[in-house]
Parts: sequence; structure tokens; C-alpha cells
Amino acid sequence: GAVVSQHPSWVICKSGTSVKIECRSLDFQATTMFWYRQFPKQSLMLMATSNEGSKATYEQGVEKDKFLINHASLTLSTLTVTSAHPEDSSFYICSANLLAGGPYEQYFGPGTRLTVT
Amino acid sequence: GQNIDQPTEMTATEGAIVQINCTYQTSGFNGLFWYQQHAGEAPTFLSYNVLDGLEEKGRFSSFLSRSKGYSYLLLKELQMKDSASYLCAVLDSNYQLIWGAGTKLIIKP
Repeated sequence: GAVVSQHPSWVICKSGTSVKIECRSLDFQATTMFWYRQFPKQSLMLMATSNEGSKATYEQGVEKDKFLINHASLTLSTLTVTSAHPEDSSFYICSANLLAGGPYEQYFGPGTRLTVT
Repeated sequence: GQNIDQPTEMTATEGAIVQINCTYQTSGFNGLFWYQQHAGEAPTFLSYNVLDGLEEKGRFSSFLSRSKGYSYLLLKELQMKDSASYLCAVLDSNYQLIWGAGTKLIIKP
């Protein structure tokens, strides 16, 4: 149980275009989903916390107009990288925690590798 | 500020035992997680400690001392597939996960 999927698993796009990444909780409902970015040989960096039906909470230094997050249902959150640039190339990972119960474990999706050319 | 420290890299031999340490200073504490992350993949859950003591799960064990702000992950009977990064993360008073930079574990035959 507690499976999180992401789509696409990898994407290559041209500079200036937008890319949408989907994160789905397949067998549970997630009130909260998290979006992380990870550059090579670095740790996970939390970008934003996404709550179903409300605006996402962005971490300091993350541009909310560039990284659009929508959490339309209890099983789906999307991250759209707008006007992508090569420096946005990274590994984007989403996670979700169960609606109820502990120990507040986060279940991670498999990640999306974005390359902007 | 909030800080989690763990060694950058460790090397061990197949079949041996290795201990990966993690020290933390956070605003509040609601538990400590260990995750395993293979290169190019997302992290996978290994353990969760919220009370002091040792939690054993197969070849992996995790220890916590809240008074010392210290945890370790112990891996026994090392296998080549254990080569990965091991991430320590603390759940702070706001239930936000604070991540360490990870320890890259290299297993040699």
C-alpha cells in the first residue's frame, strides 16, 4: 500500500517552454503533498507544501509564479515549471503522507528528471 | 537555525557492519527518519524513531538519543546492493521534515 506515482519519469524540453509534472497517490488519500528538488550529489530541497483545495505554501527562495502547484483532489497534485531554463534542470520528487495515522511517514514518488536544453 | 549533520561519504566491505551517524539541532522534535536513496531514484523509507532506544528491522537498526540530539543507522551483513545514499531527516515542531545532506555509502567486495 501507500504508492505514489509521478508522470512523466523524465522529460526534455526547450528553454522557454512549460512542463507539467503529475503526482498521484494511487491507493490512499493524501491531504498534503510535498514537492522536492534535488540537484546532483545534493540532498532533497523542499520547494513547497501542497494542501488539497488550498494554495500551496512555498519555501523561501522558491518562485511561486514560476513553479505553479495545483492540488485539485485528494489524490492528485501537479507542478508546472513555467518558462523553463537550463538551471531548472533537476530531479523533481513528490511525496505524500497518509490522511490519518502515524508516524507521519512520507511516501515518495519515483521522481521526474527534467532536462531543459 | 535548524541543522542536521551526517558524514558525506563512508566506505565499508561486503559482509561487514557499518554505522552511519546523524546529529541534529531542530526547533522541536517529532521523530527521526532514515531513508535510503539509490542514485537516480527517489528515497525509500527505512526507519522511524521517536522514543529513545534501538529499533531493529532485519539487517538494519536505528538508534535514537533525544537528549543528545543523536541517531545512528546500523547496517549488518553488508551487501553490494546496500551501496546508496542514506538520508537522515527530523520532523520538527511544525511537522516539517528537515533533511540532512545524506551519507554516500560505498560497499567494496
